[in-house]
Amino acid sequence: DTAVSQTPKYLVTQMGNDKSIKCEQNLGHDTMYWYKQDSKKFLKIMFSYNNKELIINETVPNRFSPKSPDKAHLNLHINSLELGDSAVYFCASSHGVARGVGETQYFGPGTRLLVL
Amino acid sequence: QQQVKQSPQSLIVQKGGIPIINCAYENTAFDYFPWYQQFPGKGPALLIAIRPDVSEKKEGRFTISFNKSAKQFSLHIMDSQPGDSATYFCAASRAGGTSYGKLTFGQGTILTVHP
Repeated sequence: DTAVSQTPKYLVTQMGNDKSIKCEQNLGHDTMYWYKQDSKKFLKIMFSYNNKELIINETVPNRFSPKSPDKAHLNLHINSLELGDSAVYFCASSHGVARGVGETQYFGPGTRLLVL
Repeated sequence: QQQVKQSPQSLIVQKGGIPIINCAYENTAFDYFPWYQQFPGKGPALLIAIRPDVSEKKEGRFTISFNKSAKQFSLHIMDSQPGDSATYFCAASRAGGTSYGKLTFGQGTILTVHP
């Protein structure tokens, strides 16, 4: 019973391609996030959705488009992939920002994207 | 702008040692300070967290020390074990406004505990 799952686990693709990463959580959480971890292991938030509504949109190229069909799913679509997009992408979820500060975020296993 | 600075980048200790990882933050509006542990090939997982109304929190072998006036907090691991070898991230967030639980992470510390 994986709490936060991501597919695929590995993604190897050519520059210029379009790809999607899917995320699902079975924790009943209201809020979901996408993070990018670069080659130096630095973790940076990209997007956050609360009940399917976009609430955080960091300075991310508009080639990245998140979509939340329901509050248990948050997908990430990337257009025109570039070499610099190579990284590990983590999905996470938490109970919800309405409960205030300090909600534990539960991370998925990550998707390792390599752009050639 | 790097709002949470973490040091050292890497740390090697012997089994039973007490590694200490330090973090400093800039934004005085931060009011939640978690530490996450990440094993190779896995996602980060919450280890322990503290709010600024206390100066110390202990859970098992892990202790957070918090100094609000200095805007610093640290993680101490007592009686460290080889199984503690992982990357540790400090983070900070604040309630309200447009932050919506956004975690700002430090750069990470790779801890190696030798048997």
